[in-house]
Amino acid sequence: EVQLVESGGGLVQPGGSLRLSCTASGFTFSDYWMHWVRQAPGKGLMWVSRINSDGGSTTYADSVKGRFTISRDNAKNTLYLQMNSLGVEDTAVYYCARDSTTTGIYWGQGTLVTVSS
Amino acid sequence: QTVVTQEPSLTVSPGGTVTLTCGFITGAVTSAYYPNWLQQKPGQAPRALIYDTGTRHSWTPARFSGSLLGGKAALTLSGVQPEDEADYYCLLYYGGAWVFGGGTKLTVL
Repeated sequence: EVQLVESGGGLVQPGGSLRLSCTASGFTFSDYWMHWVRQAPGKGLMWVSRINSDGGSTTYADSVKGRFTISRDNAKNTLYLQMNSLGVEDTAVYYCARDSTTTGIYWGQGTLVTVSS
Repeated sequence: QTVVTQEPSLTVSPGGTVTLTCGFITGAVTSAYYPNWLQQKPGQAPRALIYDTGTRHSWTPARFSGSLLGGKAALTLSGVQPEDEADYYCLLYYGGAWVFGGGTKLTVL
């Protein structure tokens, strides 16, 4: 069974940093591209970033470019999102997701990041 | 600016049929965008329903079907159940990223 479990969320002050993790199980992690998606309170889904299967290619939404870094450790079956210079607009539930156009997208349960003083 | 358009809200009676659509401001939605449909209920994570235009996940009830319709991706619910009341999002693959529609709030009344 495919499982994605996010962790690392919490309360952080504006300007601070946080690193999210997403631990994968039930599939060969190194075979899949992975994404981060977020959802601000009461708002819709917003794509944040994606990384290819070996970590050599990454893409970011304009709103996080230069502040967030996506990475992965295939030996640990773990996806990361390093978030720096956080602002109140980054407050959201962050979801990791496994990408596949042939077998569909699988979603984690999310981790809440709150940026507030 | 929302590049992927969805109806903000729709209402359907139990047992009825409703079609939600997903348009793209750059032009027609085609299978090359691998349209996906997600369902989200309050306080829950998104749940994938449909991928690659019209393929159901193993857990997706048969009353949900995906297609292309008039240059848009479409999600049709036939024989709507009360538990189908939720927000529905479409997702398109575009330029190495994903783009989401703003979501449709489906009310079953």
